[in-house]
Amino acid sequence: DGGITQSPKYLFRKEGQNVTLSCEQNLNHDAMYWYRQDPGQGLRLIYYSQIVNDFQKGDIAEGYSVSREKKESFPLTVTSAQKNPTAFYLCASSLGQGTNEKLFFGSGTQLSVL
Amino acid sequence: GQSLEQPSEVTAVEGAIVQINCTYQTSGFYGLSWYQQHDGGAPTFLSYNALDGLEETGRFSSFLSRSDSYGYLLLQELQMKDSASYFCAVRGFRDSARQLTFGSGTQLTVLP
Repeated sequence: DGGITQSPKYLFRKEGQNVTLSCEQNLNHDAMYWYRQDPGQGLRLIYYSQIVNDFQKGDIAEGYSVSREKKESFPLTVTSAQKNPTAFYLCASSLGQGTNEKLFFGSGTQLSVL
Repeated sequence: GQSLEQPSEVTAVEGAIVQINCTYQTSGFYGLSWYQQHDGGAPTFLSYNALDGLEETGRFSSFLSRSDSYGYLLLQELQMKDSASYFCAVRGFRDSARQLTFGSGTQLTVLP
């Protein structure tokens, strides 16, 4: 079955530590996205990538980094510079940044700070 | 910039009809989408409106008025499983790209 796989489902970070969240898709989608969701809040865009080897900052990119070396994969690293990393992280993909495409989301990773 | 407003909570009873409103401000407009998210789950796409009018998909309908920068999601014959958060999202033009901005979500509670 095609879809988006995020791992791990739960992740704990120690102070000063970098952690990486995995996102893999087998939908053959060109565009991929990372969103952050805080309790009771909407989704805020961290980074997005329209094609392999290219990515752009979203609204809240500070303290995060990404790579897009393969079409299927778009890992997100939460660096020690992100002082408030506790949140629900959602990865999504779409066919492309057209005007009417829909986003397909993974099941999310809950990141907490120890 | 882009911003959206939608009510934070709505409560209705099983079998009823509920309307969730969304007003938006955006630079350039390419469409209004709606997503459903159950607690702890992934958002799933419900509908998309690029032109004025009503789009119907089963028990769910979505309406758009571009002149009023307004849309709504209409849920009919409510079922318990419809209890979830509903997000409107607008695609506008920002930072040389068509970017999708989400509202803060409306928590719908369906009572028996």
